[in-house]
Amino acid sequence: DAGVIQSPRHEVTEMGQEVTLRCKPISGHDYLFWYRQTMMRGLELLIYFNNNVPIDDSGMPEDRFSAKMPNASFSTLKIQPSEPRDSAVYFCASSLAGSTGVYRNEQFFGPGTRLTVL
Amino acid sequence: AQKITQTQPGMFVQEKEAVTLDCTYDTSDPSYGLFWYKQPSSGEMIFLIYQGSYDQQNATEGRYSLNFQKARKSANLVISASQLGDSAMYFCAMRDLPKAAGNKLTFGGGTRVLVKP
Repeated sequence: DAGVIQSPRHEVTEMGQEVTLRCKPISGHDYLFWYRQTMMRGLELLIYFNNNVPIDDSGMPEDRFSAKMPNASFSTLKIQPSEPRDSAVYFCASSLAGSTGVYRNEQFFGPGTRLTVL
Repeated sequence: AQKITQTQPGMFVQEKEAVTLDCTYDTSDPSYGLFWYKQPSSGEMIFLIYQGSYDQQNATEGRYSLNFQKARKSANLVISASQLGDSAMYFCAMRDLPKAAGNKLTFGGGTRVLVKP
């Protein structure tokens, strides 16, 4: 079975350019998460979706960042304009929804996109 | 606000020995789940083990076990018989929101483990 797919795996761009990161979650999963990982700030949740609807975007650093999920099998994270401080590894993850009580439903992570903004 | 603390930034372990990675958490919710993930140098995040707050027994998955002490709010990961391939960053994470509020995780800062031959 295919896991979470992210593209591109590496992206090098210049400051001011638009960057679009893509994610295909595991088929049948209800939740999709976007994370950013840096040495300084660790692993941060940026935004997550439930059934394609954004639930919590409080982690999105500023208006330059936007995320969409037009259907159950595709999501994008866009940075416009990009800045050097956006350089990080961006992970997409997906999971099933819980039923009742305390449930496992671990998040499955994609391989990440390493973004470098010069 | 929920919080996950991993106090060991890095540690060495001799091959074939056991190692314990500390994780403490803070929550007022009685229903929560605790997760451990491994991140090798290649960068991917790999799920290792899960413990639910109502689970009566400590979770085990192969060489991984979780020392869950609910009263102390700790969920330490134990890796037995360490192998060179265990060298990686290890993250503890918690989900303490009710189902209606989503399935998001809060991660600790991680512990880097280096297994020595």
